[in-house]
Amino acid sequence: AQSVTQLDSQVPVFEEAPVELRCNYSSSVSVYLFWYVQYPNQGLQLLLKYLSGSTLVKGINGFEAEFNKSQTSFHLRKPSVHISDTAEYFCAVSRTSGGSNYKLTFGKGTLLTVNP
Amino acid sequence: DAGITQSPRHKVTETGTPVTLRCHQTENHRYMYWYRQDPGHGLRLIHYSYGVKDTDKGEVSDGYSVSRSKTEDFLLTLESATSSQTSVYFCAIKTASYEQYFGPGTRLTVT
Repeated sequence: AQSVTQLDSQVPVFEEAPVELRCNYSSSVSVYLFWYVQYPNQGLQLLLKYLSGSTLVKGINGFEAEFNKSQTSFHLRKPSVHISDTAEYFCAVSRTSGGSNYKLTFGKGTLLTVNP
Repeated sequence: DAGITQSPRHKVTETGTPVTLRCHQTENHRYMYWYRQDPGHGLRLIHYSYGVKDTDKGEVSDGYSVSRSKTEDFLLTLESATSSQTSVYFCAIKTASYEQYFGPGTRLTVT
């Protein structure tokens, strides 16, 4: 079984500052990695994914994430945040093998609050 | 948004009553999932389907059943609703590129 730990439940930052949201995972097999964003009272939107290849992946809204296999991490970064980035962010993993039926395991979320 | 709709979007029901939530997709994806979202827990998988009539349990399946008689519809039934099932329920589909896309959610309150 796999697990996901999001190391910070809340991250307050000022507008135009850089931000990093941390995600660590545990799995005995290869995984796919995802970041989702949830704006207040809305559903989840896929920000980016890592399947294979380059460990630095770019997503929507200027976000990027880096896969680090040795540290089993997949941290999300943005060089300059906007007020509109205020939302909850979820890291998720799924096993790469079809036998797992690609079920997602989520972290508990990080609430990013961008202040003026 | 991958053509996913959920109904109803909001429901209030009484303890002990059965409740069925519907997920409908328009793009013929094989895999469909039901998750629940609770504060402090993230999203947890309830049940999933890997084809018509092919379903299996997730990590929080007690008190829930599912059915999938058509590719496009995946139903979640609370057999006898309890207050602990008050939650926001999300349906998702998996694409061929391993991404999961989520519906808008159903907010269920059990009184």
